[in-house]
Amino acid sequence: DTGVSQDPRHKITKRGQNVTFRCDPISEHNRLYWYRQTLGQGPEFLTYFQNEAQLEKSRLLSDRFSAERPKGSFSTLEIQRTEQGDSAMYLCASSSQTGTNTGELFFGEGSRLTVL
Amino acid sequence: AQSVTQLGSHVSVSEGALVLLRCNYSSSVPPYLFWYVQYPNQGLQLLLKYTTGATLVKGINGFEAEFKKSETSFHLTKPSAHMSDAAEYFCAVSVNTGNQFYFGTGTSLTVIP
Repeated sequence: DTGVSQDPRHKITKRGQNVTFRCDPISEHNRLYWYRQTLGQGPEFLTYFQNEAQLEKSRLLSDRFSAERPKGSFSTLEIQRTEQGDSAMYLCASSSQTGTNTGELFFGEGSRLTVL
Repeated sequence: AQSVTQLGSHVSVSEGALVLLRCNYSSSVPPYLFWYVQYPNQGLQLLLKYTTGATLVKGINGFEAEFKKSETSFHLTKPSAHMSDAAEYFCAVSVNTGNQFYFGTGTSLTVIP
């Protein structure tokens, strides 16, 4: 089963350090999303790619956050100078859609970040 | 702008009883509506979705939901709860003019034997 995979599943880091998460979407999917989920909350949209183009970014995505999808396949989400408030589950989802977004999002199991 | 409200962050039902999870949305344009389920230590997976057409939609595992435009609701139901239904359920909305999916805060369903 080649679903959406995320790595690492868990990351513990000290405040001020940089972290990078990787997402491998389902291979034929052209759209890739990053979401953040904190305890007791639903997923919050961070950013979205169509192929290699980053088309939307949330206001939640401060300048310490950067995401890339260089060849339209896997994506990375980097957080620089981490803060305790960055502690959350970072979710990646992909979909195969053209035009309007009526399709299904396929989620990975998430990367849990703990900032000490 | 679009938003989703899920009433009840925790719902408990007895095994075999009706499951009702509430979702209300706000959208200035016709919405597309989704229910996702998240089992412990797993990613979210789609239960069902409404885009156009029939307002009563059926999903996996015996769940169904009805889109009621007049009430701006998309409540999720299942006639008879099973122990395996215990999970976190998220309602989500999107619109055809955008590419974002907006999620509610989730409802944790507990099934009591």
